[in-house]
Amino acid sequence: QSALTQPPSASGSPGQSVTISCTGTSSDIGGFNYVSWYQQHPGKAPKLIIYEVSKRPSGVPDRFSGSKSDNTASLTVSGLQAEDEADYYCSSYAVYNLIFGGGTKLTVL
Amino acid sequence: QLQLQESGPGLVKPSETLSLTCSVSGGSIRDSPYFWGWVRQSPGKGLEWIASIFHTGTTYQNPSLKSRITISVDPSKNQFSLKLRSVTAADTAVYYCARPPPLSGDLGAFEMWGQGTIVTVSS
Repeated sequence: QSALTQPPSASGSPGQSVTISCTGTSSDIGGFNYVSWYQQHPGKAPKLIIYEVSKRPSGVPDRFSGSKSDNTASLTVSGLQAEDEADYYCSSYAVYNLIFGGGTKLTVL
Repeated sequence: QLQLQESGPGLVKPSETLSLTCSVSGGSIRDSPYFWGWVRQSPGKGLEWIASIFHTGTTYQNPSLKSRITISVDPSKNQFSLKLRSVTAADTAVYYCARPPPLSGDLGAFEMWGQGTIVTVSS
């Protein structure tokens, strides 16, 4: 099972919105509603920010939102803040397997 | 507050077996309806799911690692463990143990994470 495809980098200015894509296949993203997104700051464990395509765990700001269309999932960060600068990873269930994207480095300009 | 803590040797020789344990505090593995998991991250690289286990012993394993993996659970000690055989330098990584969010799929996501433990494979 191949890794999901994410752009290596994304950027935006404070207050702007940024969308990060995650492309898979009909065997993973397109086949199930188990897409998740993680935020990871350097030297820290990943933090779950979106699961089951669009659900937010308790404590995650509603500036983070997720969606899916066909084989592509998207994470949108609205009202960018300096602390949003981090690596972001998507993941998807894929029939007794869980696969991740390669990660996107989000820079807040 | 649930906490997960990984433990194990930080250095393993090539061809040997990597053994890690995740100790759970603030909650009982036996009473929790979750598939507890292991995820690793190679230096400067992305995340890779390794395996997940239910307190009854039911497991899911990454197909690409399955031949080298043993995952087990000890509810009496509130721990679950990972063994990875025949390691090479490619297995050098930070290894995390983790738990899904409540009422989510068995292999959908991980909400609670340990701090991670660095394992280096080198002679």
